[in-house]
Amino acid sequence: DAGITQSPRHKVTETGTPVTLRCHQTENHRYMYWYRQDPGHGLRLIHYSYGVKDTDKGEVSDGYSVSRSKTEDFLLTLESATSSQTSVYFCASQSSYNEQFFGPGTRLTVL
Amino acid sequence: RKEVEQDPGPFNVPEGATVAFNCTYSNSASQSFFWYRQDCRKEPKLLMSVYSSGNEDGRFTAQLNRASQYISLLIRDSKLSDSATYLCGAWQDNNNDMRFGAGTRLTVKP
Repeated sequence: DAGITQSPRHKVTETGTPVTLRCHQTENHRYMYWYRQDPGHGLRLIHYSYGVKDTDKGEVSDGYSVSRSKTEDFLLTLESATSSQTSVYFCASQSSYNEQFFGPGTRLTVL
Repeated sequence: RKEVEQDPGPFNVPEGATVAFNCTYSNSASQSFFWYRQDCRKEPKLLMSVYSSGNEDGRFTAQLNRASQYISLLIRDSKLSDSATYLCGAWQDNNNDMRFGAGTRLTVKP
């Protein structure tokens, strides 16, 4: 398996606060992704990156921003957290065969 | 209509049974397909990749039908440890992203 870690693994925060989730991969994969997973919706793409400083929006990008300053790190920021952003967040990196490998996830609760 | 749809399940089968899941996709530009296994409160783990007509790995067989735009996953001789949710993913070459189905839950019972 690709070496992908996420931090924090669990977080509880209050509405209106900014939150940053971190993803780190050791496979030197060019593409990285942030998803959220909610019951009944499956995995939905928030943002993705196709290289350092190169990012693009996914299908549910409103309220989220990302940054990628190094190949191995991809950050997801909730600019002002809302209760609708309570979810499980998964980061993934992608091999040259389009196989995606997922991190362990972050469980975020917004009160 | 969702771009990738799966049998909603749940599938409850006895040990030793053969079970098949289907996944349909709507984007004809999809060229690569993937089955993932996800255990409760864990991340999805890659089970099989399908780039042409199909793939086989032990008790698991994936088949791709491009004309009808679906892929299937067949599990033979089911084990208790096969109990999980199975996600289907379709890589979209025209969007450079992967779309996933909502998953099919499988429970294998003794």
